[in-house]
Amino acid sequence: GQQVMQIPQYQHVQEGEDFTTYCNSSTTLSNIQWYKQRPGGHPVFLIQLVKSGEVKKQKRLTFQFGEAKKNSSLHITATQTTDVGTYFCAGGAGTASKLTFGTGTRLQVTL
Amino acid sequence: EAEVAQSPRYKITEKSQAVAFWCDPISGHATLYWYRQILGQGPELLVQFQDESVVDDSQLPKDRFSAERLKGVDSTLKIQPAELGDSAMYLCASSLGLAGHYNEQFFGPGTRLTVL
Repeated sequence: GQQVMQIPQYQHVQEGEDFTTYCNSSTTLSNIQWYKQRPGGHPVFLIQLVKSGEVKKQKRLTFQFGEAKKNSSLHITATQTTDVGTYFCAGGAGTASKLTFGTGTRLQVTL
Repeated sequence: EAEVAQSPRYKITEKSQAVAFWCDPISGHATLYWYRQILGQGPELLVQFQDESVVDDSQLPKDRFSAERLKGVDSTLKIQPAELGDSAMYLCASSLGLAGHYNEQFFGPGTRLTVL
């Protein structure tokens, strides 16, 4: 079945440093979504990418969908303590709207 | 702001007992999902409904798990009998369910199940 892996599993940064998480799918995707889960919370939707090579920005967050539609990345510029949490990518392949969630990257930010 | 409701928030049970979780999606959302999330891992889809019909239950352990969404609104997930390995967070999510689209999923707060 479809597998979605993320690296790194965990990253600890100082506030103000940049952060990037990478998402890789075993199959070509028709779309990819990103979610953030705060400690003790539930996943919250961040963004959806559907086009090959697509880049979207949300303030300090930049999301990219690979040309081959098998990988994606999330880059955070100048991290803040409010960025703490686990970031999941979730890929969809086919038409049934089923998403396969990645393994997640846990981000810790300290002052 | 509309939210997905789940109950109970926490459930402790002994193995071999039956447990049930309830989910009320955002009004008007046609698609409802049940996920299981083990600590430190991503959510794993157990079952997906489109209105009252099951769209995908390929990862649902059907010998012990069952799910229903009788009127296409709220849903119940049942485990009988519970096993130690079922300890996890059970998340419900809903989306608009527009045909041919991958829609944003809205998650509820989850039910944390502990099987002793």
